[in-house]
Amino acid sequence: EVQLVESGGGLVQPGGSLRLSCAASGFTFSSYWMSWVRQAPGKGLEWVANIKQDGSEKYYVDSVKGRFTISRDNAKNSLYLQMNSLRAEDTAVYYCAREIHTDPSGDPYYYYGMDVWGQGTTVTVSS
Amino acid sequence: AIRMTQSPSSFSASTGDRVTITCRASQGISSYLAWYQQKPGKAPKLLIYAASTLQSGVPSRFSGSGSGTDFTLTISCLQSEDFATYYCQQYYSYPRTFGQGTKLEIK
Repeated sequence: EVQLVESGGGLVQPGGSLRLSCAASGFTFSSYWMSWVRQAPGKGLEWVANIKQDGSEKYYVDSVKGRFTISRDNAKNSLYLQMNSLRAEDTAVYYCAREIHTDPSGDPYYYYGMDVWGQGTTVTVSS
Repeated sequence: AIRMTQSPSSFSASTGDRVTITCRASQGISSYLAWYQQKPGKAPKLLIYAASTLQSGVPSRFSGSGSGTDFTLTISCLQSEDFATYYCQQYYSYPRTFGQGTKLEIK
């Protein structure tokens, strides 16, 4: 079964750090771009970051640049999100998602959306 | 960043109705648009990519159209399981951005 399972969420004080993990199974993890998407309580979806199959390309939403780092370990079939300098507005459910690309280049012409999602992990930033 | 605006933000409909949700981009995005469905407490589900291509396993009552700046998601005959929130997302450029969502409720 194709599956993504997030972990690592919790309560953290403003300015603190947290590392989220996403364990992949049931597919060849190293063949896929991966994304993090978050959803603040009662709000809509916000794409946070993504990473190419070999980790050579990474992209971020402006609000997390310089504070969050996306990474992956293909040997462990795992995706990570290191979150530093956390703010109250980072409070959200964080989802990892698999991206469909029919070409590894990342060209949007060959991108077919995020087809597999985890159940999410909750991050609360509060004093 | 490209701004995505959906309309309406919410509305009520009945099973069997035909409904259309609109998504507008602040600049042209060709056909680089996806639609997602989300139910309360659940992860989003991919419905459509490339503006009009149905993801495998998605019922054919769902359809998408548009290109450039204006897009629509149509559900031809609402079923009870379709009451959910729908999001469009552009992937023409980074950062990828979602619309604010359209909540479809039972009338």
